[in-house]
Amino acid sequence: EAGVTQFPSHSVIEKGQTVTLRCDPISGHDNLYWYRRVMGKEIKFLLHFVKESKQDESGMPNNRFLAERTGGTYSTLKVQPAELEDSGVYFCASSSDIRSYNSPLHFGNGTRLTVT
Amino acid sequence: DQQVKQNSPSLSVQEGRISILNCDYTNSMFDYFLWYKKYPAEGPTFLISISSIKDKNEDGRFTVFLNKSAKHLSLHIVPSQPGDSAVYFCAVQFLTGNQFYFGTGTSLTVIP
Repeated sequence: EAGVTQFPSHSVIEKGQTVTLRCDPISGHDNLYWYRRVMGKEIKFLLHFVKESKQDESGMPNNRFLAERTGGTYSTLKVQPAELEDSGVYFCASSSDIRSYNSPLHFGNGTRLTVT
Repeated sequence: DQQVKQNSPSLSVQEGRISILNCDYTNSMFDYFLWYKKYPAEGPTFLISISSIKDKNEDGRFTVFLNKSAKHLSLHIVPSQPGDSAVYFCAVQFLTGNQFYFGTGTSLTVIP
């Protein structure tokens, strides 16, 4: 099966610009997660979709971040306007079952975002 | 407030010897504990897991130990191989929740 794919792999933008990250989960996976890792720190939860519904967005840093999952397939994460502290690697992950003992998270390779 | 701590940022081990990676967590109510492995420029991949009702789970060269009283998780790799060189993240989860909480990672280098 095809894995989780993320696009772009790298993005360098200036402060104040807008960036949109895309994630295509494994086909049939209802659960889609966004995580972020700032250099050297933990992988931090941003939000969780079940199909097209936001189940938990408690990790979203502020209202400059907007995630969508239209039709319950791919997801986008938009940062507008970007700030320097938004730099990091953004990971998308999917799973077929919310209970990890049935299905652990499958991660994409991430998008490395650099805001200058 | 970090839920999971990996206090060793790096570890070097000779090929063939045992690698022991450690993880401490804060909440005794976590139900499920996992280890992920990450190569450069790739996403983390699932390695091994254990539920809170067990204290050991083994899969080939990898064994995870859970000490609930100490709120401590460890991963043993025996024997270590150069291909095991990667960053290892521990993660925890509540069964009723949907978040996974990850540590900061430990970079393992296995020296040939």
